[in-house]
Amino acid sequence: DAKTTQPTSMDCAEGRAANLPCNHSTISGNEYVYWYRQIHSQGPQYIIHGLKNNETNEMASLIITEDRKSSTLILPHATLRDTAVYYCIVRAIYNTDKLIFGTGTRLQVFP
Amino acid sequence: DSGVTQTPKHLITATGQRVTLRCSPRSGDLSVYWYQQSLDQGLQFLIQYYNGEERAKGNILERFSAQQFPDLHSELNLSSLELGDSALYFCASSASGYYEQFFGPGTRLTVL
Repeated sequence: DAKTTQPTSMDCAEGRAANLPCNHSTISGNEYVYWYRQIHSQGPQYIIHGLKNNETNEMASLIITEDRKSSTLILPHATLRDTAVYYCIVRAIYNTDKLIFGTGTRLQVFP
Repeated sequence: DSGVTQTPKHLITATGQRVTLRCSPRSGDLSVYWYQQSLDQGLQFLIQYYNGEERAKGNILERFSAQQFPDLHSELNLSSLELGDSALYFCASSASGYYEQFFGPGTRLTVL
C-alpha cells in the first residue's frame, strides 16, 4: 500500500469549510484512498473513500486530483464536534486485511 | 454508534496477569480485526479473522492470541502482561475485507 503524507495539524473556524490535504504520490492504479477520523480516543470512524472520481456523502467530500497523487477531504461546514485526528489511508482494491494508520492530521475547530 | 461492541470498557490489572477482551461485530459482518493504540506507537494492526479463520497477522506478540467463534464474536487474549501492554485495544468489523471497517469504542487496558 502506498504511503501518505499529511500535515500534522490544522485549524478551522466553526462554520467554515475544512480542507484536509493528503499526498500519496506513489499510489498505484488499484489503490483506493480512504479517510477515517478519531475523536479523542474513540474508535476510528469511517468517513469516505474513492478511487479516482470525486465522492460525496453526508459527512464529507473527497476530491482526488486527476493524476491521483493527492487528495483533499472537505468538511463543508465544520463544527466543534469535527475536532479530531483525520487519517488518510491508501489501500489496494484486493487488500482485505489491515488498515495502515499514519500519524494523521489533528484538526482543531474553534468557535 | 458503529454497531460494534467491546467489553469491558476499562480494565486495570497487574503485571504477569492474563486478560480477555471481547468484541461483537456488526450483525452479518464476517471479518473482525484487532488493533492496538498506545501513546508512542499509534494505531497498529494486530490480527484479522474471517468467518472463524485467521486471515492476517500483524505485529502481534506471541503472548497475545485471538479467536473468532461460530457466532462471529471474537476474543483477544493477552497473557504475561507487561507495563508496555497498557493501551487502547480496538476491534473493527467489515462485511468482507473489501469494505470499510467499522470500529468499536475500544477497551482501555492499564497494567500496573
